[in-house]
Amino acid sequence: GQSLEQPSEVTAVEGAIVQINCTYQTSGFYGLSWYQQHDGGAPTFLSYNGLDGLEETGRFSSFLSRSDSYGYLLLQELQMKDSASYFCAVRVPYNTDKLIFGTGTRLQVFP
Amino acid sequence: GAGVSQSPSNKVTEKGKDVELRCDPISGHTALYWYRQSLGQGLEFLIYFQGNSAPDKSGLPSDRFSAERTGGSVSTLTIQRTQQEDSAVYLCASSLNGDRVGNGYTFGSGTRLTVV
Repeated sequence: GQSLEQPSEVTAVEGAIVQINCTYQTSGFYGLSWYQQHDGGAPTFLSYNGLDGLEETGRFSSFLSRSDSYGYLLLQELQMKDSASYFCAVRVPYNTDKLIFGTGTRLQVFP
Repeated sequence: GAGVSQSPSNKVTEKGKDVELRCDPISGHTALYWYRQSLGQGLEFLIYFQGNSAPDKSGLPSDRFSAERTGGSVSTLTIQRTQQEDSAVYLCASSLNGDRVGNGYTFGSGTRLTVV
């Protein structure tokens, strides 16, 4: 089966750093992506890890360890506008472009 | 267009009626996807079109659901004999060459379907 687990909710204050984990039990996947979705809005693409390691894009970084079936999204210098839901996603099976999304993490940033 | 366009943005229908949801992908994007999102939930894969290949329909929940993509561009998702459990936001996305090189999907704003 395929499942990607994320914490349901994370809270933090402005300026802080928060890590959102994604663990998966799936086979034959390729690539880990992260999407952000504000309430009532469309999901927007944040980052992609095709290989193990850390990818950095401004205040956001994403990490993948395929051997540990684990990845995370790291958000630094949190701002109020970062309050949103965050979804990890993997492509399964590896030879398609169909993304399976995680359960989603709601991040609330407080002043 | 500049983004993925979906219509209508909201649809209220009576149980048992048929509905059609439309998606206009970004021009030149070969891949098109439909997902469903219930309130506060994750994204559930429905169907995927890539170029002229046969669509991947593995996520369609029942035979009441169907989709087509005409001319490699516009797509229509049809739900026949709607049920209350079909109420959700239906999201369409397109991608230049799929996710294989980490392009990511561009999502539309969705159609909020309410079956009463």
